[in-house]
Amino acid sequence: GENVEQHPSTLSVQEGDSAVIKCTYSDSASNYFPWYKQELGKGPQLIIDIRSNVGEKKDQRIAVTLNKTAKHFSLHITETQPEDSAVYFCAASIGSGGSNYKLTFGKGTLLTVNP
Amino acid sequence: GAGVSQTPSNKVTEKGKYVELRCDPISGHTALYWYRQSLGQGPEFLIYFQGTGAADDSGLPNDRFFAVRPEGSVSTLKIQRTERGDSAVYLCASSLWGRIDTGELFFGEGSRLTVL
Repeated sequence: GENVEQHPSTLSVQEGDSAVIKCTYSDSASNYFPWYKQELGKGPQLIIDIRSNVGEKKDQRIAVTLNKTAKHFSLHITETQPEDSAVYFCAASIGSGGSNYKLTFGKGTLLTVNP
Repeated sequence: GAGVSQTPSNKVTEKGKYVELRCDPISGHTALYWYRQSLGQGPEFLIYFQGTGAADDSGLPNDRFFAVRPEGSVSTLKIQRTERGDSAVYLCASSLWGRIDTGELFFGEGSRLTVL
């Protein structure tokens, strides 16, 4: 089955700096790669996603890049703010049509933004 | 309700007891998912419902775990003869259809199960 590796497990940055989180996946059939933010005591919340036919996607301070050849994708947060502090998960999904329903998650990255 | 609702938010039980965890999905969502999140780990897929039927239960760890969704809305995850290793946060999610790549997958806040 699919295996998703995520690095680093913890990341501490100063407010205003950029943060980068990287993930690799094992199954070349994966075609959908979302990123989730999880705050303490809350469920994961989708912040950005990318499909395999796109190499990069940006939404304000957040961007995701995908390298299908190398099977890795990354989350980039610019101009970090204290409210960005949370655990971030990458995930991958296989399949299309009615079979595209299962996500395999990485182990998460605890991001701390210091004021 | 506006989001996915899960009850109880916290459940403490003793080893060997039976527990039920409830999920109330977003109104109109046909697809419902259960994931399990152990401490320091990402969520792991347990089961996927499309309507009333379990379309994929391959993630259930063993036959002590069972889930139902009799009317295609509320779902209950049932765990028999609980073990300490079952301690985790059980997350429920729902989506309008079974296509999660539409970006319309919403998670609840989870039910934290502690087995003593």
